[in-house]
Amino acid sequence: GAGVSQTPSNKVTEKGKYVELRCDPISGHTALYWYRQSLGQGPEFLIYFQGTGAADDSGLPNDRFFAVRPEGSVSTLKIQRTERGDSAVYLCASSLAPGTYEQYFGPGTRLTVT
Amino acid sequence: QKEVEQDPGPLSVPEGAIVSLNCTYSNSAFQYFMWYRQYSRKGPELLMYTYSSGNKEDGRFTAQVDKSSKYISLFIRDSQPSDSATYLCAMQGAQKLVFGQGTRLTINP
Repeated sequence: GAGVSQTPSNKVTEKGKYVELRCDPISGHTALYWYRQSLGQGPEFLIYFQGTGAADDSGLPNDRFFAVRPEGSVSTLKIQRTERGDSAVYLCASSLAPGTYEQYFGPGTRLTVT
Repeated sequence: QKEVEQDPGPLSVPEGAIVSLNCTYSNSAFQYFMWYRQYSRKGPELLMYTYSSGNKEDGRFTAQVDKSSKYISLFIRDSQPSDSATYLCAMQGAQKLVFGQGTRLTINP
């Protein structure tokens, strides 16, 4: 079956602009996660959804970052007033159920803020 | 201090060598310990997991966890050029994964 897909694969935007990053999880996976990976670092947790609700958003760096999952499947990560420090690879992962260790990652969206 | 510490390398070894990758951690609540492999410009893929302390073997790969020392290892035997990648240790804290920095490994033919 299809894995986790993310669009776009690359996004270049100017400082101050708004961006949306999309994640399409594996069909049937109820849990969805967003991570951010800076160059030379491991992924860092941003937010976790169980169904439609954000169960843990403790990793969101500030209120410019917001994520939704309105129908419990596709999720969108939204970044307002982008800053150069937001440049990173944004990874999405899904798992069959919450609390399972086995998370399947998508290829990521490489965001560059100029 | 980070919750999970991992030497970023880079590590370069000849084909056929035994590779040892390691992580230390500080949170004693971690129960699941994972190793992910990440190729350039790809997402991480789960390689192995271990629950609590002990060893687990899968083909050329062996994962070890020592909870008393808060230390985990991944051994790769008979390393191949196709093993060249970044290896990330990860631990499950609540619902989220906490990753190490990743070790960049190159296997030279």
